[in-house]
Amino acid sequence: GENVEQHPSTLSVQEGDSAVIKCTYSDSASNYFPWYKQELGKGPQLIIDIRSNVGEKKDQRIAVTLNKTAKHFSLHITETQPEDSAVYFCAASIVYGNEKLTFGTGTRLTIIP
Amino acid sequence: NAGVTQTPKFQVLKTGQSMTLQCAQDMNHEYMSWYRQDPGMGLRLIHYSVGAGITDQGEVPNGYNVSRSTTEDFPLRLLSAAPSQTSVYFCASSLSRGLVYEQYFGPGTRLTVT
Repeated sequence: GENVEQHPSTLSVQEGDSAVIKCTYSDSASNYFPWYKQELGKGPQLIIDIRSNVGEKKDQRIAVTLNKTAKHFSLHITETQPEDSAVYFCAASIVYGNEKLTFGTGTRLTIIP
Repeated sequence: NAGVTQTPKFQVLKTGQSMTLQCAQDMNHEYMSWYRQDPGMGLRLIHYSVGAGITDQGEVPNGYNVSRSTTEDFPLRLLSAAPSQTSVYFCASSLSRGLVYEQYFGPGTRLTVT
């Protein structure tokens, strides 16, 4: 089955700086890679996703890049703000397959004012 | 839309007790899933359903049962609770239509088994 590894487990950055979280996956058939943000006491919330036919996707301060050959994808947050502090999860799945998401172990991001 | 709702928010059980975690969605999503979240282990899939009447096992199904009699509801049953089932449980529903695929999570149920 799919295995997703996520690094780092914790990350602290100064407000205004950029943050990068990286994930690798094992199943070359995976074609959908979402990122979730989880705030304290809440369920994960989808913030951005990318499909395997696209190398990069941006949404304001958030971007995701995908390298299919190396089987890794990354989340980039620019101009970080205090409200970006949360736990971030990457995931991988095969759309039009079994629709099962395999999650990474999460990154706790802390923005230092 | 209320989205994905879960009840209860908190629950304490004694070893051997049974209970049902409720999950409902009002978005007419075909796919629904149950995950458990443990410290340092991310979210792990317990069971999932691709439509009413169809369920399948995920990564960690032992000790849990599910059924899907309607599109809206997907309850998770613990037949005989064990301390190892202490966790936060999340229900999710998925929209998969054409090129769109998004998974929405409920607020979670924090379960403690003593």
